[in-house]
Amino acid sequence: DAGVIQSPRHEVTEMGQEVTLRCKPISGHNSLFWYRQTMMRGLELLIYFNNNVPIDDSGMPEDRFSAKMPNASFSTLKIQPSEPRDSAVYFCASTLGASRWSGELFFGEGSRLTVL
Amino acid sequence: AQSVTQLGSHVSVSEGALVLLRCNYSSSVPPYLFWYVQYPNQGLQLLLKYTTGATLVKGINGFEAEFKKSETSFHLTKPSAHMSDAAEYFCAVSEGIGANNLFFGTGTRLTVIP
Repeated sequence: DAGVIQSPRHEVTEMGQEVTLRCKPISGHNSLFWYRQTMMRGLELLIYFNNNVPIDDSGMPEDRFSAKMPNASFSTLKIQPSEPRDSAVYFCASTLGASRWSGELFFGEGSRLTVL
Repeated sequence: AQSVTQLGSHVSVSEGALVLLRCNYSSSVPPYLFWYVQYPNQGLQLLLKYTTGATLVKGINGFEAEFKKSETSFHLTKPSAHMSDAAEYFCAVSEGIGANNLFFGTGTRLTVIP
């Protein structure tokens, strides 16, 4: 079975440009998470969805960040406009949520974003 | 609110030596505790977990961890380090069921010296 699939794996862009990161969760999982990983701040939860509905976006740093999940098999994280401080590795993770949670989050391989 | 403290951002051990990675947690309710491992250029993957029951839990690749409530600790150990164990290890705590409550520590990078 395929794991969580993220694209692109690497993105280099210039300040001010729009960035869109994509995620395909594991089929059948109903909870999806976006994390950001930096050396300074470690792993931060940005937003999570349950059954395609955003439940908690309190970790989204600014209005420049937005996330959508139009269906159960696809989610995007968009940064517009991007800034150098957004440079990080962005991870998507999925799982069966709530009472069916096994205790395991399944992570994608991440999207490494560099904003020049 | 829950929190996790990992003592030592970098740990180096010789191949064949004991691995000990320390994790202390804070939680207002009985916690669920986890160790995740991240190999270079990869996402995190679950190493082991404690939810209820036996306090000594065994995971993949020969790792184990013991939940000690009195010490609020969940240290990760492996009797004999292999080169392939070089990675970053994250301790995480959750207050009850639900991955939305999962809180990660800052990670410990393990280096194995040949």
